[in-house]
Amino acid sequence: GENVEQHPSTLSVQEGDSAVIKCTYSDSASNYFPWYKQELGKGPQLIIDIRSNVGEKKDQRIAVTLNKTAKHFSLHITETQPEDSAVYFCAASRAALIFGKGTTLSVSS
Amino acid sequence: NAGVTQTPKFQVLKTGQSMTLQCAQDMNHNSMYWYRQDPGMGLRLIYYSASEGTTDKGEVPNGYNVSRLNKREFSLRLESAAPSQTSVYFCASSELGSSYGYTFGSGTRLTVV
Repeated sequence: GENVEQHPSTLSVQEGDSAVIKCTYSDSASNYFPWYKQELGKGPQLIIDIRSNVGEKKDQRIAVTLNKTAKHFSLHITETQPEDSAVYFCAASRAALIFGKGTTLSVSS
Repeated sequence: NAGVTQTPKFQVLKTGQSMTLQCAQDMNHNSMYWYRQDPGMGLRLIYYSASEGTTDKGEVPNGYNVSRLNKREFSLRLESAAPSQTSVYFCASSELGSSYGYTFGSGTRLTVV
């Protein structure tokens, strides 16, 4: 089955800096790669996703890149703000989403 | 408000007791999922239902059963609760299977003592 590895587990940045979270997956048949943000006490919320036929996707300060050959994808957040502080999860999909273990992002002002 | 509704929000069980976690969605989604979330472990898939009438095991199905009651509802049952099942349980739904973004419920925090 699918296995998703996510790094780093914790990430601390200063407000205005960029943050990068990386994930690798094992199942070459996976074709959908979403990223979720989870705030304390809430369910995860989709922030951006990418499909296997696309190499990069951007939405304002958030971008995701996908390298299917290497089976890895990354989340890039630019100009970070304190409200970006949360736990971020990557996931890969074949029959159902399999999630990475999460990255706790802390943005200090 | 449209979305995924989970009940109850909190529950404490004694070891050996049984209970059913309820999940309902009003977005006319075909697929529904149950995950558990433990510190440092991320979200792990318990069971899923790709469409009404079908269910499949996920990564950690042992100790659980599910029922897709109709298109809207997908329940998770613990027949004999164990302390290892202490966790936060999330239900999710998606429009056409795993290639679309999931909408998650707000979770059920379960403690087994």
